[in-house]
Amino acid sequence: NAGVTQTPKFQVLKTGQSMTLQCAQDMNHNSMYWYRQDPGMGLRLIYYSASEGTTDKGEVPNGYNVSRLNKREFSLRLESAAPSQTSVYFCASSDRGQGNYGYTFGSGTRLTVV
Amino acid sequence: AQSVSQHNHHVILSEAASLELGCNYSYGGTVNLFWYVQYPGQHLQLLLKYFSGDPLVKGIKGFEAEFIKSKFSFNLRKPSVQWSDTAEYFCAVRANQAGTALIFGKGTTLSVSS
Repeated sequence: NAGVTQTPKFQVLKTGQSMTLQCAQDMNHNSMYWYRQDPGMGLRLIYYSASEGTTDKGEVPNGYNVSRLNKREFSLRLESAAPSQTSVYFCASSDRGQGNYGYTFGSGTRLTVV
Repeated sequence: AQSVSQHNHHVILSEAASLELGCNYSYGGTVNLFWYVQYPGQHLQLLLKYFSGDPLVKGIKGFEAEFIKSKFSFNLRKPSVQWSDTAEYFCAVRANQAGTALIFGKGTTLSVSS
């Protein structure tokens, strides 16, 4: 099925470890996004890529890096994980070509940092 | 930068009661407005969106929302809720210009008792 695929679905890290969250979309969307969801905080934008070759910081970029590998893939890296980064991470994509900037979300990655 | 405020953190209703969830945004320019729903354990799904035209928009599952530009509001309504509407609801706004991303409110948890 067409959509946004995130891997892994669950991950436990120790403080200081690094990891990369992967995201891929097969809808030929231009724009991709990374959000984190925390209880009572809603979804907060970490980074986004409006088009291939560009990335921009969102509301909460500290402690993260991103790579727009190609049009399909947008990865999020935690270089040195901290307990404050325990969260559910959602990747999304959108495309103006639909005329409505519809966003499609992945199913999320639940990350726990101990 | 735009921001979104959802007035209610947790709403508790009985089945068949009417629902209205408040949402206000701050941004001086033209915006696109969205309501998303997240059922327990699932990712976000689009309920409805407003881009232009009729300020009263209808979405899926009997939901509707009204855009009141003068009040910077986009409240979500449903005449008669069902137990299956129990979920978290997020209002989101996007500045209507290239290279911007969706900004979400903190969410409202709706609990419907049968």
